[in-house]
Amino acid sequence: ETGVTQSPTHLIKTRGQQVTLRCSSQSGHNTVSWYQQALGQGPQFIFQYYREEENGRGNFPPRFSGLQFPNYSSELNVNALELDDSALYLCASSSDGQGSLYGYTFGSGTRLTVV
Amino acid sequence: AQSVTQLGSHVSVSEGALVLLRCNYSSSVPPYLFWYVQYPNQGLQLLLKYTSAATLVKGINGFEAEFKKSETSFHLTKPSAHMSDAAEYFCAVSAKTSYDKVIFGPGTSLSVIP
Repeated sequence: ETGVTQSPTHLIKTRGQQVTLRCSSQSGHNTVSWYQQALGQGPQFIFQYYREEENGRGNFPPRFSGLQFPNYSSELNVNALELDDSALYLCASSSDGQGSLYGYTFGSGTRLTVV
Repeated sequence: AQSVTQLGSHVSVSEGALVLLRCNYSSSVPPYLFWYVQYPNQGLQLLLKYTSAATLVKGINGFEAEFKKSETSFHLTKPSAHMSDAAEYFCAVSAKTSYDKVIFGPGTSLSVIP
């Protein structure tokens, strides 16, 4: 059983640019949640995708968007990058949206630095 | 709305000593509660979860946590700390929404002194 894989592991972007982060969910999982973890803080919920549709969103602006593909992999897109977007972005997968019951499987994250 | 507080952003213990990491939650409904661990430069790993069965929950690596409704607490303990336990620990509560969501606390960094 493969775990959650994220790419790239590290990324440096300039303010105003756009970025795409990728996530492959654990085998058998059809739900992907994205979290932003600023330095020294707990993860903050961005949004969740279930069966290719966004079915929940946290307090993040529309320039944060995502996709989920038929194989349940997912992308997180951030437009017009700001310095405060510098963080570790975590992808978490679960089955049938039951991460809040059984727990999530997390990837190792993508460290985004905006300069 | 659900929320989580973790008392102490940093805890230091000696190797072999008791580990106690504190977590208090706020929830208007019976919660599901979790502890996750994050090692440096890695994602989060589930340590244990409470989902309204036994109030004393055993997890991986010798950790356990006790759900106390009267105190709205879910503290994490381990009888004897190992050097390998040094990491960031996050308490989390499930959010009772129309979709699957978990809210994390701010985390406690555990240092183990040899």
